Amino acid sequence: GQSLEQPSEVTAVEGAIVQINCTYQTSGFYGLSWYQQHDGGAPTFLSYNALDGLEETGRFSSFLSRSDSYGYLLLQELQMKDSASYFCAVRDVTNRDDKIIFGKGTRLHILP
Amino acid sequence: GAVVSQHPSRVICKSGTSVKIECRSLDFQATTMFWYRQFPKQSLMLMATSNEGSKATYEQGVEKDKFLINHASLTLSTLTVTSAHPEDSSFYICSASGLGGSYNEQFFGPGTRLTVL
Repeated sequence: GQSLEQPSEVTAVEGAIVQINCTYQTSGFYGLSWYQQHDGGAPTFLSYNALDGLEETGRFSSFLSRSDSYGYLLLQELQMKDSASYFCAVRDVTNRDDKIIFGKGTRLHILP
Repeated sequence: GAVVSQHPSRVICKSGTSVKIECRSLDFQATTMFWYRQFPKQSLMLMATSNEGSKATYEQGVEKDKFLINHASLTLSTLTVTSAHPEDSSFYICSASGLGGSYNEQFFGPGTRLTVL
């Protein structure tokens, strides 16, 4: 089976930096994605890592270490609109299946 | 960017009735669509993978006779909740990946909130 672990909640101050960690276990790991979801809305894609290293997209960066089965999402210059839930998701590819499995999500609270 | 729509956005029905939810990719062809359900403040639970022209692949614990999935074209997949009961009340979201496109990025529909009385 597959499992993903991420903190349930994180609190940070506006303008600061926050890191959301994700560890995973899966037999057919292909890549790690991050999604943002505001209350009542649909998830939106943020980033994807298939190889080790850091991927930067504006204020958001995502990191992957395949050997450690670990990744993180880094949010810089936090804004109030960044208050949302953040999900890590693994693409799991086996002989039979190719699917995306989501973690339980991290609720990010931003204080003014 | 790729746009996925869902219809209806919200539905309230009586226990025992069936509800059909449509998921459409508006500006791209989706070879694969996924159906998720999400309870308040919880994660997205994958229900099934829907491939155009073939039977859906259901996750363990999801009753295929209760949640009927049809992916008749490259732009439309439907989920029918048959004989709905209050415990089926949830937020149902579909996602799609494009033809030959990055499977790693899923485009999500806005979701359908189902309330069964």
